[in-house]
Amino acid sequence: RKEVEQDPGPFNVPEGATVAFNCTYSNSASQSFFWYRQDCRKEPKLLMSVYSSGNEDGRFTAQLNRASQYISLLIRDSKLSDSATYLCVVITNTGGFKTIFGAGTRLFVKA
Amino acid sequence: GAVVSQHPSRVICKSGTSVKIECRSLDFQATTMFWYRQFPKQSLMLMATSNEGSKATYEQGVEKDKFLINHASLTLSTLTVTSAHPEDSSFYICSARSTRAIVAEAFFGQGTRLTVV
Repeated sequence: RKEVEQDPGPFNVPEGATVAFNCTYSNSASQSFFWYRQDCRKEPKLLMSVYSSGNEDGRFTAQLNRASQYISLLIRDSKLSDSATYLCVVITNTGGFKTIFGAGTRLFVKA
Repeated sequence: GAVVSQHPSRVICKSGTSVKIECRSLDFQATTMFWYRQFPKQSLMLMATSNEGSKATYEQGVEKDKFLINHASLTLSTLTVTSAHPEDSSFYICSARSTRAIVAEAFFGQGTRLTVV
């Protein structure tokens, strides 16, 4: 089993749609959780941190469920510019800090 | 926010030569940096963890003698791809963790696209 697993995608949605991505992680000792966005041939960039209390930033909402070891990202009112790969990222500290990436979910927003 | 600078952004080299990639944390100290490789349409794969002042920790399947990592200072880690072959052509990205923030996050360099011909 992979340490971090994401929806395979790709997601093809029209502008204005609401889309949700899911991610699960296997290490219950994981400490920090993030969603990163990666555009083609570019480095990943932090989209938002994920907290148990939930985190909302404009059209983006991230949730963490530690009991289920599950992370989600909700994008409302999708824009063309939201088209990218979204990476679920988990930081663990078992024998040293390690940043683990999910395989990423590709999103295509179409006019 | 914290900035990580990676150089070069693009390099083309001949098979059999070595290539050095630099990763610098510009406004914070990074005792630990990470090196990733990403093949087309695939996820970032951790290659190794670079520890300042000590040996790097390599992931399973990554040849330590081929991918030499040096982390001589708190702001610089280098990855040298030795005797590069066409199958080493990939996108290499470094990241460094900032421990200043309440929730530690990873900052990434711009990436280096290596093409071995």
